[in-house]
Amino acid sequence: GESVGLHLPTLSVQEGDNSIINCAYSNSASDYFIWYKQESGKGPQFIIDIRSNMDKRQGQRVTVLLNKTVKHLSLQIAATQPGDSAVYFCAAGTYKYIFGTGTRLKVLA
Amino acid sequence: SQTIHQWPATLVQPVGSPLSLECTVEGTSNPNLYWYRQAAGRGLQLLFYSVGIGQISSEVPQNLSASRPQDRQFILSSKKLLLSDSGFYLCAWNHGSGNTIYFGEGSWLTVV
Repeated sequence: GESVGLHLPTLSVQEGDNSIINCAYSNSASDYFIWYKQESGKGPQFIIDIRSNMDKRQGQRVTVLLNKTVKHLSLQIAATQPGDSAVYFCAAGTYKYIFGTGTRLKVLA
Repeated sequence: SQTIHQWPATLVQPVGSPLSLECTVEGTSNPNLYWYRQAAGRGLQLLFYSVGIGQISSEVPQNLSASRPQDRQFILSSKKLLLSDSGFYLCAWNHGSGNTIYFGEGSWLTVV
């Protein structure tokens, strides 16, 4: 069946450094990809999305890269701050979405 | 603006008891509605989705059911809860296909 996997369950980053969170998906028919941030005990919050006709999209301090050839996407967070500490999920799909298991980002002071 | 509400926020229920979690979306019409479950330390598992009133698709066979009695209302139910039903339940909505899903704040269910 379809799957979405994140490469690392935990990522520790020094405050001020850049963070890169990776995700792989299995369904080549997926045409829409979303990154979410989830803080403890709360619902996931939308961060940034990208469609399959693009390979890069930038937001405020965040960039998503999509490589359809190897079915991989990544989330880059610039100048990581303590408030960025959370679990990050990627999702892939069309009208229904498969979510990865999440990477916990820890920001070290 | 659109908002999504789900309740109750926390629930402790004995094994074998019934369940009803409710979700409503405001500020939009004819949304797609979703129920997800998140077990501790794990990803989001799609349970049900609905593209319209009375239209429910089940993704995972289990003792849960969903209903959509009104356009912007989605209900997750069980007649008899199991211990394995414990988890964090999330309602979500979007429009059409290939569009962002927006989540509610979640409902913590502990079956004891």
